[in-house]
Amino acid sequence: GAGVSQSPSNKVTEKGKDVELRCDPISGHTALYWYRQSLGQGLEFLIYFQGNSAPDKSGLPSDRFSAERTGGSVSTLTIQRTQQEDSAVYLCASSPGHVEAFFGQGTRLTVV
Amino acid sequence: AQSVTQLDSQVPVFEEAPVELRCNYSSSVSVYLFWYVQYPNQGLQLLLKYLSGSTLVKGINGFEAEFNKSQTSFHLRKPSVHISDTAEYFCAVTNYRGAGNMLTFGGGTRLMVKP
Repeated sequence: GAGVSQSPSNKVTEKGKDVELRCDPISGHTALYWYRQSLGQGLEFLIYFQGNSAPDKSGLPSDRFSAERTGGSVSTLTIQRTQQEDSAVYLCASSPGHVEAFFGQGTRLTVV
Repeated sequence: AQSVTQLDSQVPVFEEAPVELRCNYSSSVSVYLFWYVQYPNQGLQLLLKYLSGSTLVKGINGFEAEFNKSQTSFHLRKPSVHISDTAEYFCAVTNYRGAGNMLTFGGGTRLMVKP
């Protein structure tokens, strides 16, 4: 596609349920990033992929968070046993390997 | 480690007035600097970036920013704002490592343009 696509755009889930957030990067972009935007913490880096491997997972807040990328393309961020503090906008960005990153519209996650 | 401070959480301004959004950073290594804009319910859009060269950088929508290494600042300016500039603006830094250029963001500045 023309830009980074994220789905769903909105997700409401019950506390304790698992959720999966999807990111389709710009075709050909080798690098992919997940960020989280929340009222209390601002914009935080979560994880970075180069191809299908994740050299840097340092931003994942707990072991309930995991992510994978397949075929050097689509990435899925999974949150297990969601908590209310997981409520945030999850942003995905991709980059052709240069410095500039292109962001998707985000997935707004609400845990009730 | 690096950090970014945006000194103003909100900046109200009248239409056609000039505006400056302030950004200071700290880092032990050389950094690359960015300003992003976020309109309501949208992702981040790159306004401009400083990688090297001229310290005055021009971006989209009439915005510009000046990199000041001695003051570790990268303030964003526009000589005349429009209602449509109302949005949240984020300053960000990264230290380029060839790959894995994760961004460190400031807390954001909400620009509110009034008629």
